[in-house]
Amino acid sequence: ETGVTQSPTHLIKTRGQQVTLRCSSQSGHNTVSWYQQALGQGPQFIFQYYREEENGRGNFPPRFSGLQFPNYSSELNVNALELDDSALYLCASSLNPARETQYFGPGTRLLVL
Amino acid sequence: GQQVMQIPQYQHVQEGEDFTTYCNSSTTLSNIQWYKQRPGGHPVFLIQLVKSGEVKKQKRLTFQFGEAKKNSSLHITATQTTDVGTYFCAGRYGGSQGNLIFGKGTKLSVKP
Repeated sequence: ETGVTQSPTHLIKTRGQQVTLRCSSQSGHNTVSWYQQALGQGPQFIFQYYREEENGRGNFPPRFSGLQFPNYSSELNVNALELDDSALYLCASSLNPARETQYFGPGTRLLVL
Repeated sequence: GQQVMQIPQYQHVQEGEDFTTYCNSSTTLSNIQWYKQRPGGHPVFLIQLVKSGEVKKQKRLTFQFGEAKKNSSLHITATQTTDVGTYFCAGRYGGSQGNLIFGKGTKLSVKP
């Protein structure tokens, strides 16, 4: 086990709704990255948080937003859900933004109907 | 845009056979990482390669980074059923804090 936890494990939403996913990083890790993994694809980088600030963003629209808290846990918020948002959402924690070694959590599987 | 191509998409082998997956980028990478994802699981970090021409070994796994830092390979010798899963490479552009771009992965199945 990596020590990275995510909640919930599964979620079903309808198009247009909003969702919040949560991630607790491994102890001592101040950096959290979020990824979207569609079925049969590799993870796609959404954004990274380092010490409560966004520290890099992939090619995702502004309706994907995040937060990092003083204890370094993190949230991913997605507004105005679309069918294509159905995917496995992974968070990964690391000791620092250089991310030599990332430890992934088990993921949240989101289904948008 | 930056893209990491990975082949093959699928590989079916008999237990004991060797397996290789390849990654290629059109532009120079800062470094490349390899991950393994078991069915229904999450990616697990295997290794990072940084230097041109670097070769690293982990038991039956051999990782190589090309001289031009545009390609990489993972070779498994004498596969076992425990090697089943999807292997991803992830290339980093623009320095040590650049974003990681994952390939689509190679799904390995091993017939006992």
